[in-house]
Amino acid sequence: DTAVSQTPKYLVTQMGNDKSIKCEQNLGHDTMYWYKQDSKKFLKIMFSYNNKELIINETVPNRFSPKSPDKAHLNLHINSLELGDSAVYFCASSFRTDNYGYTFGSGTRLTVV
Amino acid sequence: AQKITQTQPGMFVQEKEAVTLDCTYDTSDQSYGLFWYKQPSSGEMIFLIYQGSYDEQNATEGRYSLNFQKARKSANLVISASQLGDSAMYFCAMREAYNQGGKLIFGQGTELSVKP
Repeated sequence: DTAVSQTPKYLVTQMGNDKSIKCEQNLGHDTMYWYKQDSKKFLKIMFSYNNKELIINETVPNRFSPKSPDKAHLNLHINSLELGDSAVYFCASSFRTDNYGYTFGSGTRLTVV
Repeated sequence: AQKITQTQPGMFVQEKEAVTLDCTYDTSDQSYGLFWYKQPSSGEMIFLIYQGSYDEQNATEGRYSLNFQKARKSANLVISASQLGDSAMYFCAMREAYNQGGKLIFGQGTELSVKP
């Protein structure tokens, strides 16, 4: 059983399209995250949800909209895709009130052409 | 603001030798966690080791140990007896206390190459 699963693993799309990435975790964690890994491999947090409530919203274009229907799911919808959105997007989950690390999904490689 | 710095973009090590990957951090929090993750060429993020800010002993997990020097704000990863499969990108990370947001902040990464 995959602990944090993301779909799709690869996504190739044209500029201007709208796309979604789905994430689900079965660890019972109460907090989920989206990270973006750029071409230089730098990982930066985008959003965090705790029990369906948005708690972290870094400086991200408003074309990116996270949605959390329940604490086990966090989806990322991206409108009007741009070339610069090409990156690897990681979903992760954790318990909010401890200092332990996150469990990451396997990543979604988004390529905008 | 919290920050993680990895000053070695790339490192080479001979198979079976030990290697140290450097990491320094900056925080004003008293409670925080320090982590190392491995990212092989396949892309997944693999958790290696954790050190709590209040832990007095250095963390160890198999061939991995974390050399925690709190006063110097450093959390270096030591890999003993390197194997070819250790070739990967390694990220140091720090988790803020949850009442500060609980973000996991990453360093720039170090690409380790193990030579046969």
